[in-house]
Amino acid sequence: NAGVMQNPRHLVRRRGQEARLRCSPVKGHSHVYWYRQLPEEGLKFMVYLQKENIIDESGMPKERFSAEFPKEGPSILRIQQVVRGDSAAYFCASSPAANTGELFFGEGSRLTVL
Amino acid sequence: GENVEQHPSTLSVQEGDSAVIKCTYSDSASNYFPWYKQELGKRPQLIIDIRSNVGEKKDQRIAVTLNKTAKHFSLHITETQPEDSAVYFCAAMEGSQGNLIFGKGTKLSVKP
Repeated sequence: NAGVMQNPRHLVRRRGQEARLRCSPVKGHSHVYWYRQLPEEGLKFMVYLQKENIIDESGMPKERFSAEFPKEGPSILRIQQVVRGDSAAYFCASSPAANTGELFFGEGSRLTVL
Repeated sequence: GENVEQHPSTLSVQEGDSAVIKCTYSDSASNYFPWYKQELGKRPQLIIDIRSNVGEKKDQRIAVTLNKTAKHFSLHITETQPEDSAVYFCAAMEGSQGNLIFGKGTKLSVKP
């Protein structure tokens, strides 16, 4: 009965490289949310996806960031041409339904940009 | 959109004392308010939640109260223990999509 699985747990990239973070939701959950947490700060909503659809990306920067949740496989958050300010913990959460608010978080992926 | 304010940002108590953390929200349509505990380097974990059809909920040493009129809710931890030391986040559900808007967190330190 696995929870939300995120990988990699730690990722180091140089400025200008691409970062790709993966999230496998709880089995049976079809709603995925991505949050970003800067050091010593709270969680900021980035994007909400259902299978094959982006429902709300209002918290995601317009450039360099993209997310997908394909029919098969994990959800992926992609950051192109990373900059130092992208260094943060990225948490994925899943939910069994859209309007419950009951989110189950993964352990996060910690991105460090050199 | 929803905005959640949380106070205090840090809280230090002696073991056995009570701790209270307060949050306010802006969207009167919000109807779900969870609290998460996050230990250093770990994922946020749900510890208690409340929906807008009740005013109080209790689970052993933890309780949450909700005042819909004033748009604020609070977390109460009684008989605190050193293992309660962590960062606590309040949140409010925005709209009907299940998205949570979080407060900035309260770092609770329980001194033995």
